[in-house]
Amino acid sequence: DADVTQTPRNRITKTGKRIMLECSQTKGHDRMYWYRQDPGLGLRLIYYSFDVKDINKGEISDGYSVSRQAQAKFSLSLESAIPNQTALYFCATSRGPTDTQYFGPGTRLTVL
Amino acid sequence: GESVGLHLPTLSVQEGDNSIINCAYSNSASDYFIWYKQESGKGPQFIIDIRSNMDKRQGQRVTVLLNKTVKHLSLQIAATQPGDSAVYFCAEKGTGKLIFGQGTTLQVKP
Repeated sequence: DADVTQTPRNRITKTGKRIMLECSQTKGHDRMYWYRQDPGLGLRLIYYSFDVKDINKGEISDGYSVSRQAQAKFSLSLESAIPNQTALYFCATSRGPTDTQYFGPGTRLTVL
Repeated sequence: GESVGLHLPTLSVQEGDNSIINCAYSNSASDYFIWYKQESGKGPQFIIDIRSNMDKRQGQRVTVLLNKTVKHLSLQIAATQPGDSAVYFCAEKGTGKLIFGQGTTLQVKP
C-alpha cells in the first residue's frame, strides 16, 4: 500500500464551488505539506503543518484553507474555486522540517 | 530571498549516454540538498540527497556533486535508460522547509 494517498485523483468542478482534497499517510510523520504544481513553475508550497495543532501558510495560501484532523490526515479546501486554481496538487510528509519529503500521487483539479 | 534554479528546462540524451542535470542555489548557508524525480502522472520521488559537508555522493547509477564555492549542484545519471525519462527537481533546505527548483525534463532518445 502507498504510504501517502490522496483523494480524489481527478476532479472537475465549476467556479464558485467548494472543494476538499484529502491526504492520508501511514509513515507516522508529524509534518505534512500541500503543494501546487503548474507547468513551468515547479512546486509551490500552499500550507504546511508541523503537528496537529500547528498550521502555517506557505507562499501561495490565498484562496485555500487546511485542516489537520489527525497526525495522519491533512485536507486542503478551496472555499470558492476559481479557474486559475486549476493545477496539480500534491500532499507530502516528512519526519522533520528539512528532511526528505515523501509525496502522494497528486490530484488533478480542473475548475471550469 | 532564497531561490533554487535549474540551468535548462529540457535535456535530451541518447540512450546509454550519461546525463548531467544542473542546479544553482542562492543561499550559501544551505546545508542539505535533495534531488527528486517525477514521472508523468506521479508525484516526485526521492532520488538522492547530500549534505554540505560532502562534495560527492553516489547511489545506484546516480551521483550528486556539490560545489559550494559557486553554489552549484548537479545530478549525474550513468548509462541513461528510457525509464529515466522524467522531470528532475533539486531542492534546498530553506528556513524551516525545502525550496524546490522548477525542474528539468530529461528526454531519452532510443
